[in-house]
Amino acid sequence: EVQLVQSRGEVKKPGESVKISCKASGYHFGSYWIAWVRQTPGKGLEWIGIIYPGDSESRYNPSFQGQVTISVDKSGSTAYLQWNTLRASDTATFYCARPLDSGNTFAYWGQGTVVTVSS
Amino acid sequence: EIVMTQSPATLSVSPGERATLSCRASQSISYNLAWYQQKPGQPPRLLINVASARATGTPARFSGSGSGTEFTLTINGLQSEDFAVYYCQQYNNWPLTFGGGTKVEIK
Repeated sequence: EVQLVQSRGEVKKPGESVKISCKASGYHFGSYWIAWVRQTPGKGLEWIGIIYPGDSESRYNPSFQGQVTISVDKSGSTAYLQWNTLRASDTATFYCARPLDSGNTFAYWGQGTVVTVSS
Repeated sequence: EIVMTQSPATLSVSPGERATLSCRASQSISYNLAWYQQKPGQPPRLLINVASARATGTPARFSGSGSGTEFTLTINGLQSEDFAVYYCQQYNNWPLTFGGGTKVEIK
């Protein structure tokens, strides 16, 4: 059974850094892209970017390029989403998701990680 | 980027009735459209792929149609578990983009 288990929620102050994780199981981690999606009440669902664990090739939504970093630890079957300098506007729920196959529709989702940035 | 516009924002429907949700793309995306269902506190769930192909586990009362820029999700005989928010997503171009969602609520 494919499972994506995300790290617990984070509460941070503006200017701090954070790295959230998504641990995959039930399939060959290196063979499927993993995406990150942001959800906020105001802007809905937004695709942040995607990474292929096999070779760490990544693509970013231009709206998020330079603001976050997506990475993987192939040996640990874990994908990461990282911020170096958080802003209050980064407050959201973040999901990792895996495509059904080689495409770009997401059949498998993590449970979500809430990141709260507040002074 | 391709902008996905969903209408209406909220749809009030009685159980057992039909719900028709629309999704429009700002440019042609062929059949590269997916529909998701999301309930409070849960991640989205893939319902429909390639505009009209039901994902594994999607009940037959859900059907998708359309191509190009105009798409429709129809839910026949709404059941209590169908009251949720529905999102469309295009995957024809990067960046992948979602619509703003349609909330299907009990009338």
